[in-house]
Amino acid sequence: QAGLTQPPSVSKDLRQTATVTCTGDNNNVGNQGAAWLQQHRGHPPKLLSHRNNNRPSGISERFSASRSGNTASLTINELQPEDEADYYCSAWDSSLNGWVFGGGTMVTVL
Amino acid sequence: QVQLVESGGGVVRSGRSLRLSCAASGLAFSTKIMHWVRQAPGKGLEWLAFISHDGSTKMYADSVEGRFTISRDNSNNTLYLQMSTLRVDDTALYYCARENGDPGAFDVWGQGTMVTVSS
Repeated sequence: QAGLTQPPSVSKDLRQTATVTCTGDNNNVGNQGAAWLQQHRGHPPKLLSHRNNNRPSGISERFSASRSGNTASLTINELQPEDEADYYCSAWDSSLNGWVFGGGTMVTVL
Repeated sequence: QVQLVESGGGVVRSGRSLRLSCAASGLAFSTKIMHWVRQAPGKGLEWLAFISHDGSTKMYADSVEGRFTISRDNSNNTLYLQMSTLRVDDTALYYCARENGDPGAFDVWGQGTMVTVSS
């Protein structure tokens, strides 16, 4: 099952801005967008954002999502130590008739 | 309190079967789309299976199609994953998750149950 492409890692200084990208194609990200999940080591994933940058209750406004063509992006503003985690994008893929995840991006706060 | 609790994991020999359960509470289970997702040690997330709210529609990843079966008992608020012909590469932490209606928006997760398949 083909997935979505994310950079393995992103490192930024405290209080800087980090951007994580997720590249797919017209069958997934380009069609219905992507959702974003955060996973701290040893914990289950947590939904950060879904269609059109909707954030579930309790998710900080420092997290924002966008999409341009077949690439979705998650931007984390004012990086905090607790933002160190793995970040995954997910989407429905109409050609695979299933759901796909990105490979995950480890965000490090320097 | 919205909660999903997986159980049924363990150590099993290659070729054998195992059934996982996911007990739901506080989330109107019978009206929700549910999924199974797994994560091999040190690896990323892999979607496995989907079931519609009433159990009438099911979908599977190619990696488990024909070996795994997803089902649900809405009267007991429980989701299941029947796994057969297990392989060593099925070793992973298995999560159940709810999708909130938007594609890929898995908004409630359990803590996971570990399955280890030995050769």
